[in-house]
Amino acid sequence: QQQVKQSPQSLIVQKGGISIINCAYENTAFDYFPWYQQFPGKGPALLIAIRPDVSEKKEGRFTISFNKSAKQFSLHIMDSQPGDSATYFCAASEGSNYQLIWGAGTKLIIKP
Amino acid sequence: GAGVSQSPSNKVTEKGKDVELRCDPISGHTALYWYRQSLGQGLEFLIYFQGNSAPDKSGLPSDRFSAERTGGSVSTLTIQRTQQEDSAVYLCASSLRQQGNGYTFGSGTRLTVV
Repeated sequence: QQQVKQSPQSLIVQKGGISIINCAYENTAFDYFPWYQQFPGKGPALLIAIRPDVSEKKEGRFTISFNKSAKQFSLHIMDSQPGDSATYFCAASEGSNYQLIWGAGTKLIIKP
Repeated sequence: GAGVSQSPSNKVTEKGKDVELRCDPISGHTALYWYRQSLGQGLEFLIYFQGNSAPDKSGLPSDRFSAERTGGSVSTLTIQRTQQEDSAVYLCASSLRQQGNGYTFGSGTRLTVV
């Protein structure tokens, strides 16, 4: 019940296209859902995060969509660029337990 | 410092030797985490320190792994009698124990056991 399931494992998108990565969870007590971006040789970095009181959050070309009833959330990258090529991790945490539960990661490649 | 600092950035060691990996968290961050990341894989939780509380060691893969955090700041991850399967990138992260602030990761230590 503590798991966060992320898909796909890898994704290839043409430059200018929309990249979509999905995550699903079981624990309805989760109330914080961040996405992290990791470039080769670097640690993951916080990209964008959402709480379940909103259904969507947008920051530039990056949007999180949240579906509370389906227990799913997704990352959309609009107008994908080669510089977006990285591994993306979703995560979740519950209330006063701030320890993040991580998805398995998605390797995104944007083809020029 | 401004970020999480890990040292060394790369370590090559012979099988059977002990290694120590160091993490300097962001000043004031009370929570510190160690993760292991094998090539192309996800984040494997190892250990979590929060203030003066007893650490959560539930992710340590064997008793060859240990970690300490001195004075609520710097942390050292020690791997005794290294094995080839210990080869991975070891990542450290710190955070304020406050939701919404996220984790700040270091760049990791790439450990290669030969």
